[in-house]
Amino acid sequence: GAGVSQSPSNKVTEKGKDVELRCDPISGHTALYWYRQSLGQGLEFLIYFQGNSAPDKSGLPSDRFSAERTGGSVSTLTIQRTQQEDSAVYLCASSLFAAGAVNEQFFGPGTRLTVL
Amino acid sequence: GQQLNQSPQSMFIQEGEDVSMNCTSSSIFNTWLWYKQDPGEGPVLLIALYKAGELTSNGRLTAQFGITRKDSFLNISASIPIDVGIYFCAGLLYYGGSQGNLIFGKGTKLSVKP
Repeated sequence: GAGVSQSPSNKVTEKGKDVELRCDPISGHTALYWYRQSLGQGLEFLIYFQGNSAPDKSGLPSDRFSAERTGGSVSTLTIQRTQQEDSAVYLCASSLFAAGAVNEQFFGPGTRLTVL
Repeated sequence: GQQLNQSPQSMFIQEGEDVSMNCTSSSIFNTWLWYKQDPGEGPVLLIALYKAGELTSNGRLTAQFGITRKDSFLNISASIPIDVGIYFCAGLLYYGGSQGNLIFGKGTKLSVKP
């Protein structure tokens, strides 16, 4: 079956512009996660959705970052007034559930964002 | 916030060598996961560990969930060139109730010995 997909795969933007990154999770997965990975670094948690609600937004770096999820499926991560330090790979993952002992997250290929 | 200490940060492998890496934390985790990331790809799950003391294998990979629930190691036996990549450990942290989220280590980068 189809895995997690993300679009665009690459995005180059100018400082100050807004960008939208899209994630299509695996069908039937109720939990969806956004991470940021800077060059040579590990994964920094941004936000997680259970269904359409976001119980944990604690990782969002500033109020320029927001995310939504509709229909329990597609999610969009929006970065307003982008800054150069926002340049990174943004990874999306989904899991069947967030609850319980099993939380095996399946990752998409990521969107590489470059802010000039 | 919670942090995982993963080591080594990087290592070079020669074909046929065994490789070992580990993660430690000051906090207790309920689940440990090991992922591998190839260039331009998202991380792929290798092994999941659910019980303290559990030892699990997946082909040439073996991972253990430490008894204290604060550490885990991953071994790769008889390494081959396709083992090159970045390996991440991740611990599942419960919020309370039954919801949780993964905390990732900073990764171990495996490269081929020149």
